[in-house]
Amino acid sequence: DSGVTQTPKHLITATGQRVTLRCSPRSGDLSVYWYQQSLDQGLQFLIQYYNGEERAKGNILERFSAQQFPDLHSELNLSSLELGDSALYFCASSVVGDNEQFFGPGTRLTVL
Amino acid sequence: GQNIDQPTEMTATEGAIVQINCTYQTSGFNGLFWYQQHAGEAPTFLSYNVLDGLEEKGRFSSFLSRSKGYSYLLLKELQMKDSASYLCAAMEYGNKLVFGAGTILRVKS
Repeated sequence: DSGVTQTPKHLITATGQRVTLRCSPRSGDLSVYWYQQSLDQGLQFLIQYYNGEERAKGNILERFSAQQFPDLHSELNLSSLELGDSALYFCASSVVGDNEQFFGPGTRLTVL
Repeated sequence: GQNIDQPTEMTATEGAIVQINCTYQTSGFNGLFWYQQHAGEAPTFLSYNVLDGLEEKGRFSSFLSRSKGYSYLLLKELQMKDSASYLCAAMEYGNKLVFGAGTILRVKS
């Protein structure tokens, strides 16, 4: 158990819908990262937040957005969902000044 | 551009030693990570190298050559539970991790 929690564990929805994935980092970690892992793309970095501010952006689609709240939990919003958005979405957190990232168990999103 | 290359699959025998290679090319470099991932589970941290040389941690060791853009993960005394995907990841400036596609290691008895 890494100490990072993600909800829900599984999510099944239809094309065109919008969903929100939630992540709570390890106690004391200020940085939160979001990753997408699909069968054909591997693990892809989406976005990083540090203490509420966006810090780095990867291959995140415009239909996706994220935020980090004052209590440091983070949400990833996925809208206008397409079949190709079906994937495992991981959240990770890290301590300031430490490069090791601890991954949560992931949310498996299935778009039908 | 970003490019992380590692073999797709490897097979080794229980009790043996296996070396998984990784070459990388990234925009800025702030270290090289190895993660282990069992199917359907989260990646778990194995090692981090930022300076050239070998880092040893129990049965696992990792090596980095920054001038060659090359790293390897060495697994000794292989066990069946080591069957998993091994992900090489280079950290760019700003803590952005760029992952390779992963190497599926199969350990046979």
